Amino acid sequence: KAGVTQTPRYLIKTRGQQVTLSCSPISGHRSVSWYQQTPGQGLQFLFEYFSETQRNKGNFPGRFSGRQFSNSRSEMNVSTLELGDSALYLCASSIDSANTGELFFGEGSRLTVL
Amino acid sequence: AQKITQTQPGMFVQEKEAVTLDCTYDTSDQSYGLFWYKQPSSGEMIFLIYQGSYDEQNATEGRYSLNFQKARKSANLVISASQLGDSAMYFCAMREGETSYDKVIFGPGTSLSVIP
Repeated sequence: KAGVTQTPRYLIKTRGQQVTLSCSPISGHRSVSWYQQTPGQGLQFLFEYFSETQRNKGNFPGRFSGRQFSNSRSEMNVSTLELGDSALYLCASSIDSANTGELFFGEGSRLTVL
Repeated sequence: AQKITQTQPGMFVQEKEAVTLDCTYDTSDQSYGLFWYKQPSSGEMIFLIYQGSYDEQNATEGRYSLNFQKARKSANLVISASQLGDSAMYFCAMREGETSYDKVIFGPGTSLSVIP
């Protein structure tokens, strides 16, 4: 079956703009989480959604937001972009909320802010 | 404080030899899960192996095994018979507690290079 799909794969924005990234989880997976990966900070948890509800949130400013739709697809939005937001944004899905499920990751959306 | 520590920023291993990637973790929870992921240069995170805190046996998946030492809070990844395609970043990760859902904390990673 199809894996986690993230779009767009690459994008370039300028400071002050906003960006929306999309993630389609594996069919049947209801949990979607987002991570930011940078060379300096590594992989950092942004937020996690399950059944359209945000259940967990990392330590990011309010400029970072997300949502999940009834079909489990998720979007994240970053407003008023800053140079430091340049990163690989990874989306992951899992089948349920059990504490043993592995996360299946997409290939990521690489954002460059100029 | 770092929840996940990977003390080896970079490692080299000869093809066909075994290699151990170190990981120590910090948690006060009794229930937690430990993961290892591989990230090739393409960027995708690939799940390798999982160990639950209550699992008594060390996890194994093909050429990957997890050396779990609970008292030492250590979860080292052992790759046997290294292949050139094993060259990648390797991340140790942990999900804490019963209610942390999918908040998984990742370590800083170890870059593994397999030499022909």
